[in-house]
Amino acid sequence: ETGVTQSPTHLIKTRGQQVTLRCSSQSGHNTVSWYQQALGQGPQFIFQYYREEENGRGNFPPRFSGLQFPNYSSELNVNALELDDSALYLCASSFKKSGSSQETQYFGPGTRLLVL
Amino acid sequence: SQQGEEDPQALSIQEGENATMNCSYKTSINNLQWYRQNSGRGLVHLILIRSNEREKHSGRLRVTLDTSKKSSSLLITASRAADTASYFCATPISSGSARQLTFGSGTQLTVLP
Repeated sequence: ETGVTQSPTHLIKTRGQQVTLRCSSQSGHNTVSWYQQALGQGPQFIFQYYREEENGRGNFPPRFSGLQFPNYSSELNVNALELDDSALYLCASSFKKSGSSQETQYFGPGTRLLVL
Repeated sequence: SQQGEEDPQALSIQEGENATMNCSYKTSINNLQWYRQNSGRGLVHLILIRSNEREKHSGRLRVTLDTSKKSSSLLITASRAADTASYFCATPISSGSARQLTFGSGTQLTVLP
């Protein structure tokens, strides 16, 4: 167990709806990253939050947005859901020192989203 | 685009045998990491090897890194049914001021009892 929790575990939505996924970081970690994993593929980086600000983003459209809260928990919001958004969404927490890079990321169990 | 690619895509062995998975990557790295994923659940960090290291051990795991060939291998010795999972190599790259992990498509390992 990594100490990273995600909710909900499963979710079914219809095309065009909006969804919010939640993540609680491992104690002592200040950075949260979100990944999308399609069936049979490796995880793809969506974005990362550090000190409540987005500090890096992968190749995902603006309808994917996020928040990080003062307690370092985080939300991933996806608007105008499309069928291709069906995937396992993983969050990962890590500790970043100012001016240095974080290396190991600790993953939560994921939220499986199905868009019909 | 994916930085790392694992080979083979699928591997099936008998309990007690060794399992070897390979990973190739494209750009220079300062470390490479291996993760395990059971049945579409979260990823578990197995081992990190730095670019100035050639080999690293952790229990039944042995990882090698050849930066001249941009490749790494993961060896699991004396495999057990519980080792059945997908295995991914991951390399950190910079994205803005973030360090994102880039993953390959993974190797699906099945250990038969």
